[in-house]
Amino acid sequence: DAGVTQSPTHLIKTRGQQVTLRCSPKSGHDTVSWYQQALGQGPQFIFQYYEEEERQRGNFPDRFSGHQFPNYSSELNVNALLLGDSALYLCASSLGGPGADTQYFGPGTRLTVL
Amino acid sequence: DQQVKQNSPSLSVQEGRISILNCDYTNSMFDYFLWYKKYPAEGPTFLISISSIKDKNEDGRFTVFLNKSAKHLSLHIVPSQPGDSAVYFCAASAHAGGTSYGKLTFGQGTILTVHP
Repeated sequence: DAGVTQSPTHLIKTRGQQVTLRCSPKSGHDTVSWYQQALGQGPQFIFQYYEEEERQRGNFPDRFSGHQFPNYSSELNVNALLLGDSALYLCASSLGGPGADTQYFGPGTRLTVL
Repeated sequence: DQQVKQNSPSLSVQEGRISILNCDYTNSMFDYFLWYKKYPAEGPTFLISISSIKDKNEDGRFTVFLNKSAKHLSLHIVPSQPGDSAVYFCAASAHAGGTSYGKLTFGQGTILTVHP
């Protein structure tokens, strides 16, 4: 049973650039959520996708956008990168939209902005 | 606005003894609580959860207790093993709507070290 997968594992970008991170949910799951984890902190909710639409959004600027595809996989896009965007980006999947109980996380993508 | 707080940054326990990790929350809309374990360079791994209609849930060595009146939950690990050494996060969500609907709100984490 395939778990949540994310790519790439690590990424280095410079300020002002744009980045795309990818996530494939756990087999059978239809909902994908994205979180940002800064060093020494707990993950912070960015947004959630269900039925190819953004359902919930956290306190992140419009520079953060996403997409969900018909096969339930998802992308997170960040434009005009800032140094403060350096973090571990986590994807989590669940079943049944915003009302789901448990979210299962992937290994994350470590983004470094120079 | 830290709605979920883990006030102990670290905890050190001897192998075989009990580990107790604590978590406090402020948002009354939270009705589902989870504990995750995280090793370095890995994503959080789901451990155990509890709904607000219960006050205790057990799964093997792990037990979560919920005190709704105090807005407090705790994770007990008995007996503790060296492989339990990791960062533990509590998280909360709300099913009744509002700004916490559909998302997990995490605490800052507690580093557990179990010594052989």
